[in-house]
Amino acid sequence: DQQVKQNSPSLSVQEGRISILNCDYTNSMFDYFLWYKKYPAEGPTFLISISSIKDKNEDGRFTVFLNKSAKHLSLHIVPSQPGDSAVYFCAARRAGGTSYGKLTFGQGTILTVHP
Amino acid sequence: EPEVTQTPSHQVTQMGQEVILRCVPISNHLYFYWYRQILGQKVEFLVSFYNNEISEKSEIFDDQFSVERPDGSNFTLKIRSTKLEDSAMYFCASSKADYSNQPQHFGDGTRLSIL
Repeated sequence: DQQVKQNSPSLSVQEGRISILNCDYTNSMFDYFLWYKKYPAEGPTFLISISSIKDKNEDGRFTVFLNKSAKHLSLHIVPSQPGDSAVYFCAARRAGGTSYGKLTFGQGTILTVHP
Repeated sequence: EPEVTQTPSHQVTQMGQEVILRCVPISNHLYFYWYRQILGQKVEFLVSFYNNEISEKSEIFDDQFSVERPDGSNFTLKIRSTKLEDSAMYFCASSKADYSNQPQHFGDGTRLSIL
């Protein structure tokens, strides 16, 4: 299932700088997109989401941008902190039909923030 | 902050045995989900559950799998006759709704090891 792709397996950033994590999708029926953070031995923790009717959503240090025409979304973390080091998953949900909230996940990107 | 809890954190079972994974969703949530992540692979959807019945299930969720909400708080996943390829992390999730941009919140998972 390649409907949601995170093409960068890993990203390394200096503390205080911006982290940009990218995600591409192919299914134009997706209407809601989420970012999750995952530490080892824990479940995915919800970070931020965006509806397809918006192109930007901000929550503190986290901003998600959605470019529907390019079927691309990105998560910006500013400033990055060492505690942000984790695996970041992009996920998408389809509008309507028989898809009752099913999330389709990307492969994840390992973010390492160096002090 | 309310959270989804899963037990046990690790389950080791002989191939062919039945296993039950347990979850306590967030108390005011109405939609419940199971996902799994095989080592090195994506998080993948198994099943969604609402109003005491399955809303949607994936191809993975065959006759060997079943879900139940035996009381007002627990949500269980049963695998009747486990196979080696069932070894994975199993995540339970819940949400207030499956629409209107309600994120799913995940538990920390059960690591299932089939010998």
